[in-house]
Amino acid sequence: KAGVTQTPRYLIKTRGQQVTLSCSPISGHRSVSWYQQTPGQGLQFLFEYFSETQRNKGNFPGRFSGRQFSNSRSEMNVSTLELGDSALYLCASSLPVGGAKNEQFFGPGTRLTVL
Amino acid sequence: KNQVEQSPQSLIILEGKNCTLQCNYTVSPFSNLRWYKQDTGRGPVSLTIMTFSENTKSNGRYTATLDADTKQSSLHITASQLSDSASYICVVSARSGGSYIPTFGRGTSLIVHP
Repeated sequence: KAGVTQTPRYLIKTRGQQVTLSCSPISGHRSVSWYQQTPGQGLQFLFEYFSETQRNKGNFPGRFSGRQFSNSRSEMNVSTLELGDSALYLCASSLPVGGAKNEQFFGPGTRLTVL
Repeated sequence: KNQVEQSPQSLIILEGKNCTLQCNYTVSPFSNLRWYKQDTGRGPVSLTIMTFSENTKSNGRYTATLDADTKQSSLHITASQLSDSASYICVVSARSGGSYIPTFGRGTSLIVHP
């Protein structure tokens, strides 16, 4: 079974531009979560989608948005890029079953550099 | 504010030795605690998941403990190998409606020398 895939793997943008990152979950997984990882802040939760609905959102400005499609694939968008948005963006998927021990599987991430 | 603190920040050990990583948290309402291993340039991989009622969980040479009263967890690595060199991240999730919101520790960077 294929793992979580993220595209592109690397991206370079300039300040003020916008960017869209894509995540394809493991087949059968309907929950997709996005995270930002930086050396200064570590891993931080961005948002979670389940059945095309945003279920939870972290403490990020409105420039960060996302969506999920009917096939569970998800995209996140960052508008008006700032230098501080340079980070590794990770996507994780999990099965639709509930429960506190629902395991998440991470993709390899998209490395975004803002110049 | 929910917080997760990990110690030490970094650790260097010799191959074959044991080590223990610490995680203290203030997360409410507590749902579960997970330990992840993250190799450089890759996404995190789950090692253990524990809920409130569990106080120990093993995965091969990795053993996690949880003391929900003191809000502390540890990850013990036995007979370390070079491939154990990685960042180990403690994640504590709070229940939020029908889902869970994670709070991440900054991680412990482990280097295993031959």
